[in-house]
Amino acid sequence: DIVMTQSPDSLALSLGERATINCRSSQSLFFSENKKNYLAWYQQRPGQPPKLLIYWASNRESGVPDRFRGSGSGTDFTLTISSLQAEDVAVYYCQQFYNTPLTFGGGTRVEI
Amino acid sequence: EVRLVESGGALIHPGGSLRLSCTSSASTFTDYWMHWVRQAPGKGLVWVADITGKGTSAKYADSVEGRFTISRDNARNTLYLQMNSLGADDTAVYYCVSFRGTADVYTISWGQGTLVTVSS
Repeated sequence: DIVMTQSPDSLALSLGERATINCRSSQSLFFSENKKNYLAWYQQRPGQPPKLLIYWASNRESGVPDRFRGSGSGTDFTLTISSLQAEDVAVYYCQQFYNTPLTFGGGTRVEI
Repeated sequence: EVRLVESGGALIHPGGSLRLSCTSSASTFTDYWMHWVRQAPGKGLVWVADITGKGTSAKYADSVEGRFTISRDNARNTLYLQMNSLGADDTAVYYCVSFRGTADVYTISWGQGTLVTVSS
């Protein structure tokens, strides 16, 4: 199974600050046939299902604000929130969908 | 956008059985690789099982292998999870998740979840 390791576990920042969340996979998520990294990022607010933010490591889902940016390739990935807003308070997860079983990072709690 | 609606969650006694359902709004349901993912109270996301578009192949997490069965009825656009021999560790919100990739876009959709509580 591919192990996903997220850091930090939690992050406390001020409004307008930059948030950086890291995710490392135990094996490469890069699929050479289409040159895509099979890594997704989700936001989960309390009592709600996960919301897809980013897929293929850097493709922003339709309707997601452009302050959310995904980057990285292979085994190292980053989610950046460029200017933290109050509504960004949530837990963020990375997930690999390169193969089954799907595996998730442990989550990063972002607080203001 | 694909909409997924789960149902079937309930309070169930240990050792009991339950069947969850997930109905998809997808126009071509067979194009979608379907999964169940669960989240225990206050915990992270854990994959449970998946099934291919035509329903010919399924895989399970070790923790549910032999107790849970994933299936789909493509004529009804519906995914199922039959859960037997339930224990307290199975208490969680169960999410139905669909995946579909094309050359230009990858579509990942989650349902709202259905709560399964195993308790005497």
